[in-house]
Amino acid sequence: GDSVTQMEGPVTLSEEAFLTINCTYTATGYPSLFWYVQYPGEGLQLLLKATKADDKGSNKGFEATYRKETTSFHLEKGSVQVSDSAVYFCALRVSGGSYIPTFGRGTSLIVHP
Amino acid sequence: NAGVTQTPKFRVLKTGQSMTLLCAQDMNHEYMYWYRQDPGMGLRLIHYSVGEGTTAKGEVPDGYNVSRLKKQNFLLGLESAAPSQTSVYFCASRKLDGGPEQYFGPGTRLTVT
Repeated sequence: GDSVTQMEGPVTLSEEAFLTINCTYTATGYPSLFWYVQYPGEGLQLLLKATKADDKGSNKGFEATYRKETTSFHLEKGSVQVSDSAVYFCALRVSGGSYIPTFGRGTSLIVHP
Repeated sequence: NAGVTQTPKFRVLKTGQSMTLLCAQDMNHEYMYWYRQDPGMGLRLIHYSVGEGTTAKGEVPDGYNVSRLKKQNFLLGLESAAPSQTSVYFCASRKLDGGPEQYFGPGTRLTVT
């Protein structure tokens, strides 16, 4: 079946540090890939997505590139802020009729001033 | 647009009591989902619906029932609450012919004592 593996957290960084959160996947078909962010006390919201190989999704300074050869979709940001403290979820959905996306377990990011 | 809304935001139940969680979306989405989120477990799918009048079981359906009588509403029922159902519950929706991403509600925090 489909699965998503994320690095375990929490990830603790100082403000302005470089962020990488690793995400790898296995999929039975051709997936679309997503990163969702969950701020404290809120629901998940889409951060970025990529729907085909070599696409780069980007939003709010975050980026992730769909790497089919390594089945990865790592999240990066060049300079994190305290306001980026949240839980980040990697997810996939296989096209062609699948109703149910597959989520990773989430990675907590804590950014200190 | 309000997007996806959930009622109530918080609730405390005693073991054996029943309740219904309401999810409403005003985006005319065909697909709706109920998840629970527990520490270290990520998101787990309880039930989902691919259209008005249809429902299906997800990963953890036991102890829950759902109904989708109207396209915009998806109800999650607990007939006899148990402490193991203490969790944060999220509703999500997705459009059939839109992008592959889901839209999430703000969550309901349920405590069963």
